[in-house]
Amino acid sequence: NAGVTQTPKFRVLKTGQSMTLLCAQDMNHEYMYWYRQDPGMGLRLIHYSVGEGTTAKGEVPDGYNVSRLKKQNFLLGLESAAPSQTSVYFCASSYLVGTNYGYTFGSGTRLTVV
Amino acid sequence: RKEVEQDPGPFNVPEGATVAFNCTYSNSASQSFFWYRQDCRKEPKLLMSVYSSGNEDGRFTAQLNRASQYISLLIRDSKLSDSATYLCVVNPLGSYIPTFGRGTSLIVHP
Repeated sequence: NAGVTQTPKFRVLKTGQSMTLLCAQDMNHEYMYWYRQDPGMGLRLIHYSVGEGTTAKGEVPDGYNVSRLKKQNFLLGLESAAPSQTSVYFCASSYLVGTNYGYTFGSGTRLTVV
Repeated sequence: RKEVEQDPGPFNVPEGATVAFNCTYSNSASQSFFWYRQDCRKEPKLLMSVYSSGNEDGRFTAQLNRASQYISLLIRDSKLSDSATYLCVVNPLGSYIPTFGRGTSLIVHP
C-alpha cells in the first residue's frame, strides 16, 4: 500500500517553463489537496478537490491549475513558472472531512525556479 | 486573529523532560482536531487525533478544551528523536478544508 505518491521529487525549472506535478493515491480517498510550504509560512492551500471531476481554489491559487480526471490522481500544473513559485509542494488526501481519519501526505516535490 | 495559532518556539529541552504545546483556534464550530509531526524536509505525518475526552498514546497525551478553544500536546520523557515541528490541525464543521497551524519547533538535546 503506497499511500500518496508524488512525482517528481525534485525539479529545477527556468522562468517561463511549464510543468505538471503528479499526485497519486491508492486509498480510494475522496478529498485531495495541494499545498506549498515556504520557510516561516506554514502550509498554504493552493487547490483542492472533493471528488473526481471537481476542483476548487484554495488560499494561493494564482499561477497554478489543477485537474482530477481520475479519483486517484490530482495534477498540479504551472503554466509559466516564476521564481516566486520556488517552494516545497505537498499533496494530501483524506477519506472524509470532519472525522478522525486525518490527512495523508505525499513526500513532497522540491521545486526551484531560476 | 489567525484561525489556528501556535507558539513557533523553538522549545529547547533536555532528554527526559516533559514539554507541552498549546494550539488555539478561533472557529467555535470546529469539529475534529489532530496533531501532526513534521521532520526537517519531510512531509507532515499524523501523530494523533484529539478526542473530546482527551487521549493518550504512550508518552504523548492530547487534550481538547472546547470552552477555551485550544488543544494541547504533552510529551513526557522526551527523546532526542522527538525533535521535530509539531503542527496542530483543525477541521471546521461543514468545511472541506483543514486549517493548519504554522507549527511549534521542539529541540531535545542530550
